[in-house]
Amino acid sequence: AQTVTQSQPEMSVQEAETVTLSCTYDTSENNYYLFWYKQPPSRQMILVIRQEAYKQQNATENRFSVNFQKAAKSFSLKISDSQLGDTAMYFCAFMSYSGGGADGLTFGKGTHLIIQP
Amino acid sequence: GAVVSQHPSWVICKSGTSVKIECRSLDFQATTMFWYRQFPKQSLMLMATSNEGSKATYEQGVEKDKFLINHASLTLSTLTVTSAHPEDSSFYICSAREDSGLGNIQYFGAGTRLSVL
Repeated sequence: AQTVTQSQPEMSVQEAETVTLSCTYDTSENNYYLFWYKQPPSRQMILVIRQEAYKQQNATENRFSVNFQKAAKSFSLKISDSQLGDTAMYFCAFMSYSGGGADGLTFGKGTHLIIQP
Repeated sequence: GAVVSQHPSWVICKSGTSVKIECRSLDFQATTMFWYRQFPKQSLMLMATSNEGSKATYEQGVEKDKFLINHASLTLSTLTVTSAHPEDSSFYICSAREDSGLGNIQYFGAGTRLSVL
């Protein structure tokens, strides 16, 4: 079984600053994906970014980027030029994958990110 | 982008009654859908994996007779909470994995808040 750990229950930064959310995971699987999901007060889960474990290059989506350290089993999310709309719960998630298909997601406990004006 | 519709968004029922929640993929086919449960201020926990045309796979500790899952078509999965009790009150979220999509992305419904009186 895999576990996902987010050690920062809450973070608060000023608008326009850069913030990094940490995530570590533990698995014995070789084929897997890692995700960051955002859950605003509406509770709708929104995909922020994903990373295939076999890719060494870190994923980037506009202001969002990850630092994927496979050997260390670390998967942090960096948000640049933070905006008020980034305020939300952020969940790190793990999904193993085999030839038979993908498993469900294992989520960390989440980090509540607050962007201050 | 891919859209998943979940209905109802909020339901209140009396103890002992059954409640059905629908999860539909609106613009893609999904052989596999997932059901999660989220308690207040907590993370999402995978309850079961729903596969079209076959029995659902339940996570350890989830009562399959309490949470009935039916995946009758490539666009619809339903979760029925049978003989609901106050402890079943929670936020239930479904997700669907696009059959033709790359990267095994799961798209989430907006969730259903269940309150059992």
